[in-house]
Amino acid sequence: GQNIDQPTEMTATEGAIVQINCTYQTSGFNGLFWYQQHAGEAPTFLSYNVLDGLEEKGRFSSFLSRSKGYSYLLLKELQMKDSASYLCAVRDVPDKLIFGTGTRLQVFP
Amino acid sequence: DTGVSQDPRHKITKRGQNVTFRCDPISEHNRLYWYRQTLGQGPEFLTYFQNEAQLEKSRLLSDRFSAERPKGSFSTLEIQRTEQGDSAMYLCASSLALDGNEQFFGPGTRLTVL
Repeated sequence: GQNIDQPTEMTATEGAIVQINCTYQTSGFNGLFWYQQHAGEAPTFLSYNVLDGLEEKGRFSSFLSRSKGYSYLLLKELQMKDSASYLCAVRDVPDKLIFGTGTRLQVFP
Repeated sequence: DTGVSQDPRHKITKRGQNVTFRCDPISEHNRLYWYRQTLGQGPEFLTYFQNEAQLEKSRLLSDRFSAERPKGSFSTLEIQRTEQGDSAMYLCASSLALDGNEQFFGPGTRLTVL
């Protein structure tokens, strides 16, 4: 079956660092994506990992371990505008995204 | 605006009616996807096209749902005999068929079935 787990909610303080974990068990794997979604809006792309290791992109980094079925998204220097849902998605073969339920992050001043 | 567009943005209908949604992808993108999202959940895959060919359809999709992409550009998603359980946000996304290319999402059509 297809299973992607991530925490439902997290809170953090402005300026802090937060790590959002994602574990997955899927029948196929062709990469892992992280998307950000503000309430009532479309998901927007943040990062993509297909090989093990860390991908860094400004304040956002994403890590992947394929052997462990594990990824995390790291957000640094948190800003109020980072309050949103963060969606972990596995790209299944040949090409569809299987999403987790999303992690709702609230950033407080 | 060169992003993915969807029409209408909101649709309210009565149970039993048919509805049709339209998606216009980014012009050079050859893949087009439909997802459904309910409150508090991540998007759920429905179907996708490469050019005009429908390559995969979710087993969860009942035969009341049909999608087309007749000329390999815009796509339509039709729901026949709507049910209250069909109430959701219907998201369209597009991409280039290359490894690692992300899917770009449209703003969605919010369907409410009364």
